[in-house]
Amino acid sequence: GAVVSQHPSRVICKSGTSVKIECRSLDFQATTMFWYRQFPKQSLMLMATSNEGSKATYEQGVEKDKFLINHASLTLSTLTVTSAHPEDSSFYICSARDTGGGKNIQYFGAGTRLSVL
Amino acid sequence: DQQVKQNSPSLSVQEGRISILNCDYTNSMFDYFLWYKKYPAEGPTFLISISSIKDKNEDGRFTVFLNKSAKHLSLHIVPSQPGDSAVYFCAALPGRGYQKVTFGTGTKLQVIP
Repeated sequence: GAVVSQHPSRVICKSGTSVKIECRSLDFQATTMFWYRQFPKQSLMLMATSNEGSKATYEQGVEKDKFLINHASLTLSTLTVTSAHPEDSSFYICSARDTGGGKNIQYFGAGTRLSVL
Repeated sequence: DQQVKQNSPSLSVQEGRISILNCDYTNSMFDYFLWYKKYPAEGPTFLISISSIKDKNEDGRFTVFLNKSAKHLSLHIVPSQPGDSAVYFCAALPGRGYQKVTFGTGTKLQVIP
């Protein structure tokens, strides 16, 4: 299957700092990427939909000023957690949507474990 | 409002036997379904999909069955292997062109050697 690379896999930061997570589709172009958050023993929660060349669409309850999303190219989306606090500690997962050949499959990155001290 | 439900949070199966994972949905607009497998601390891995124009799709050891009238789909894994032990999520879309996927809550499968 297609490959989505997410970096870093783990980050530990101090409260108040900002953290950037990158998501790249390696073998297909993705006009749409998604950012999810997973809480322990819960399903994936969609945070926002990232569209190349336009503003991201945020789900209800997700602070767009806190979770900045940039989708500058067809293969790269970034999520920046600004002024991170301990409650932002979570597992963040990106996905990229492959629509080539009539498909509609989201391929996921390996996730980023964020720990805010 | 959970539109995609996986009512069994966990399932244990003996190696070599069949694993059957179930998924129910409530939104009649859903017509494209996917199954993902997820290991701890990793992103989900796409397994198999099915469109509502079909009632079965097979890929190796994985077969997905769709019963539209019952709004039910299932993933069959046969034979089950210890490496299949993971959390399985079903997901649904109201059409191939739609962007947002609705995920189920997941079923943790344990395949016992």
